[in-house]
Order: sequence, then C-alpha cells, then structure tokens
Amino acid sequence: QQPVQSPQAVILREGEDAVINCSSSKALYSVHWYRQKHGEAPIFLMILLKGGEQKGHDKISASFNEKKQQSSLYLTASQLSYSGTYFCGTERGNTGKLIFGQGTTLQVKP
Amino acid sequence: DAGVTQSPTHLIKTRGQQVTLRCSPKSGHDTVSWYQQALGQGPQFIFQYYEEEERQRGNFPDRFSGHQFPNYSSELNVNALLLGDSALYLCASSLASGSANSPLHFGNGTRLTVT
Repeated sequence: QQPVQSPQAVILREGEDAVINCSSSKALYSVHWYRQKHGEAPIFLMILLKGGEQKGHDKISASFNEKKQQSSLYLTASQLSYSGTYFCGTERGNTGKLIFGQGTTLQVKP
Repeated sequence: DAGVTQSPTHLIKTRGQQVTLRCSPKSGHDTVSWYQQALGQGPQFIFQYYEEEERQRGNFPDRFSGHQFPNYSSELNVNALLLGDSALYLCASSLASGSANSPLHFGNGTRLTVT
C-alpha cells in the first residue's frame, strides 16, 4: 500500500518554513526520507524507526507518530538548495524493501 | 569511495525486444534493490538481491528478472518490452543488516525508452 504524501507541491521564498506529511494505512517499522533533484539520484536524508523519535539534520528534521502511522518532514529557514522532490519511503519490517509515496515537489525562490 | 554506478545511462528499445541493465553497488554493500520510476512518480520496488538470490519481489510480472554476481553487482533483465516499461530504472545498494544500519544508496539510473 503506497503511502500518501501531502501537499503535492509547495513554493517557498528563501527563509520560509515547510512541512511535508506522509501517511500510511499499514503498521510501519520505519519511514525514510529522500530528496531527488531533476535528473539525479534520490539522496538519503534520514530514517525514523518506530518509537516516535524525532531526528534532525541541519535545518531539516522529521518525526514519526507510530500510533497514527504518520511522518512529517520539517524544513526550516529554507535555502535554494532545498528545491527538489521529496519522497517518503515506508518499510513494514527491517527488510530494506521501501514503498515510496508519490512525492512532494518543493520549489524555493530567492 | 565509489558510489552506486549504473549502465547504460540511456537506452532506446523497440516494443517486444529484451533489455539488460547493470549495477555496481557502493563499496562494502552486499544487497542490491531495483526500482522503476515513471515520470512524476515515486520509485516502485521491483526486487531485491542478496547472496545471489532474489530475496523479495514487488508487483512486477515475470518479464522482469534479475541476477546478482559473486562481486555483488547485479543485472536487471526485462523481456518482451512494452511501451509502459518506459521509465527510469534505479538501482540501490545497502547492507543486509537492514535499513536501520544501512539506508539505501541510489545510482543515477538508466533511462529506458520503449518505442
């Protein structure tokens, strides 16, 4: 079952914040976040394991609500380099098999 | 440290033909997964190889097959190509110990066009 991401697209000015959500109808072991720029490979941002932990990576952080099977990616004080398509990948066991959402396109303007 | 490399980068085939795509995993990784990414969509899991065996498979027909070699490199074969097979094919490598210790590292992909 493919996770559902929202919003589908967002446009920001530099310095603004954004939140991208990822919801699954199935119980999850982990949620992974990737960013992909046009014509490039998806780049790993972070992984969240079940347990409701929150992680941070520079000005990008994420949370995982195990009870709701929802994860959110927080981008604060956005930079031009944050532009790209963000994918969440969900995993139902520690298998390495990720099911990706349809993606959220983020555009940061000067 | 070499990352994941895929070849070729682009490929054009005719409907009904067969194609082979190749992938070399990141140094130190032993598990290879293949994903299909249609334009504007998220990657879809095809299958995963470890110890030269297919360990997991997604919802893809038997026309999609693979192989892993003793050096951990992998091939994806697609027979009887359909127009709908046109997509970016991504290879990702990781460690068999699982995602908690080893997230997926993706290659730049092979862009397959079926005419």
